[in-house]
Amino acid sequence: QVQLKESGPGLVQPSQTLSLTCTVSGFSLTSYSVHWVRQHSGKSLEWMGRMWSDGDTSYNSAFTSRLSISRDTSKSQVFLKMNSLQTEDTGTYYCARKNFDYWGQGVMVTVSS
Amino acid sequence: DVVMTQTPVSLSVAIGQPASISCKSSQSLVGTSGKTYLNWLLQRPGQSPKRLIYLVSKLDSGIPDRFSGSGSETDFTLKISRVEADDLGVYYCLQGTHFPNTFGAGTKLELK
Repeated sequence: QVQLKESGPGLVQPSQTLSLTCTVSGFSLTSYSVHWVRQHSGKSLEWMGRMWSDGDTSYNSAFTSRLSISRDTSKSQVFLKMNSLQTEDTGTYYCARKNFDYWGQGVMVTVSS
Repeated sequence: DVVMTQTPVSLSVAIGQPASISCKSSQSLVGTSGKTYLNWLLQRPGQSPKRLIYLVSKLDSGIPDRFSGSGSETDFTLKISRVEADDLGVYYCLQGTHFPNTFGAGTKLELK
């Protein structure tokens, strides 16, 4: 069955780089795109960017200068890297499939020294 | 960016009673294909969001027909005909027609 699972460090220091991995199963990254979505605690959802099935990427302009999304199709993994982290980047990060029909469990990230 | 405005912010409903949530977009969500990419999601407490409805009114697999979606252009509604305990959580509308994808602020459904 279709599954997505985020992984990464729970704690990142301010000004450092966040690296998250979304590992998928039950579908191919060359057939379906994968989104990254962020949720501040108790707040709404914010679309960050997308890895398209052809390997292209799209980014929310709110993150463009510091966000990078890549993938390893052989490992069925999509990666998120975001630099210059600030406390405002604290939240839960989700990956979701193409039309948001499947979501990962999310990974909580705290930015703090 | 397209702004998605949801009302009400919160809703207290008794079991067995109906519920209705509105979502209004700042631009028409009709895409160049003629399709309207408006989804409804439910985030239960402590869980990740789950899609309930896509393309305005199509129910995802396993979603009971107590749920229904309607609307067009900029005005959309999610209705629950008879609320059950399992329905509590925060409901979000999400548009996928215009770049970037944007979400409503959420409507919290509580049981009365």
